[in-house]
Amino acid sequence: DAGVIQSPRHEVTEMGQEVTLRCKPISGHNSLFWYRQTMMRGLELLIYFNNNVPIDDSGMPEDRFSAKMPNASFSTLKIQPSEPRDSAVYFCASRSAMGTGHSGNTIYFGEGSWLTVV
Amino acid sequence: GDSVTQMEGPVTLSEEAFLTINCTYTATGYPSLFWYVQYPGEGLQLLLKATKADDKGSNKGFEATYRKETTSFHLEKGSVQVSDSAVYFCALSTQGAQKLVFGQGTRLTINP
Repeated sequence: DAGVIQSPRHEVTEMGQEVTLRCKPISGHNSLFWYRQTMMRGLELLIYFNNNVPIDDSGMPEDRFSAKMPNASFSTLKIQPSEPRDSAVYFCASRSAMGTGHSGNTIYFGEGSWLTVV
Repeated sequence: GDSVTQMEGPVTLSEEAFLTINCTYTATGYPSLFWYVQYPGEGLQLLLKATKADDKGSNKGFEATYRKETTSFHLEKGSVQVSDSAVYFCALSTQGAQKLVFGQGTRLTINP
């Protein structure tokens, strides 16, 4: 089975430009998570969705960040305008419905989008 | 709030040494506990998990036992290999919160 698919894998952009990161969760999973990883702050949850609805966006750093999930198989994380301090690895992850089988509460991660803003 | 504390790294060992990476947690209710591993340049992979007290998760020679009385989930391996060099994250998930809370990660380097 295909895992969580993220694109782009690597992005280098100039300060002020718009950045869009994309994610395709595992088919059949109904929860989707966006995490950010930096050396200073470790892994931070930015936002998560259940059944395409944003449930908790308290980790979104500021208004420059926005996330959407228009359908069960696609999500975007957008940064506009980007700043050098946004440089990080952004991970998308997904999970099947809670309590569904052995893997019901296991979150599976994509390989990450490595963003550098110069 | 829920939190996870891991032993600070980096940890450097020689091949075939015994490994322990400590992890303790604070949580309301009865969390599920996880170890994830991140190899250089890659994403996080689930290494093992335990969903209730006294459960032992195991995979690839790694083990961890859910200890409710000490709120711990220490990761162990009897004989490490160079290929085990990675960053290891302890995490918890509670039924109500639905999200993973991670420790800060422990970087492990195994020398031949």
